[in-house]
Amino acid sequence: SQTIHQWPATLVQPVGSPLSLECTVEGTSNPNLYWYRQAAGRGLQLLFYSVGIGQISSEVPQNLSASRPQDRQFILSSKKLLLSDSGFYLCAWRQGRYGYTFGSGTRLTVV
Amino acid sequence: RKEVEQDPGPFNVPEGATVAFNCTYSNSASQSFFWYRQDCRKEPKLLMSVYSSGNEDGRFTAQLNRASQYISLLIRDSKLSDSATYLCVGAFRSGGSNYKLTFGKGTLLTVNP
Repeated sequence: SQTIHQWPATLVQPVGSPLSLECTVEGTSNPNLYWYRQAAGRGLQLLFYSVGIGQISSEVPQNLSASRPQDRQFILSSKKLLLSDSGFYLCAWRQGRYGYTFGSGTRLTVV
Repeated sequence: RKEVEQDPGPFNVPEGATVAFNCTYSNSASQSFFWYRQDCRKEPKLLMSVYSSGNEDGRFTAQLNRASQYISLLIRDSKLSDSATYLCVGAFRSGGSNYKLTFGKGTLLTVNP
């Protein structure tokens, strides 16, 4: 069966520090992968998506970047965090016509 | 205009009530639609897909009206466990075989004993 893993679950980072969030998928090959962010009181915002290794599309200009070094690995990074980067970060993969499956998310607080 | 707009809520209903969620979308290229459920501080989970012919899953009924660009979700005989935020979602093709999801802000439902 297919599963998606995200870590860490929670993270508190100071302003200006780097960030690396990892997402891995098991049980499928060449998945379409997505990073979303949900800020407090707001809807989910698509940040990046990837249709294959090394292929990254950015949806909004921001302080973040993404990479896909392996087929089932998707990484979200930042060199210097801002307070506005706080939020709930969710990785997802597309399950054909049945919608997307999300990882359990990382709750990031920048202080 | 936001691509997917939902009733802002919140909805507070007694157990056993029928609840209706409404949603409109502006992107006529949207291919597929879904309702997701998100519990507090958890990830969204797929509740059901929405088909033009309407579809039902137990106490849940979803409808899609492409002419009006309108989606609905009806919950009958609501249970305490139905308390959650319900997200209306549209998927549209974005190059090749890739689809992207656009989420509404969600409507919070609280079912009271």
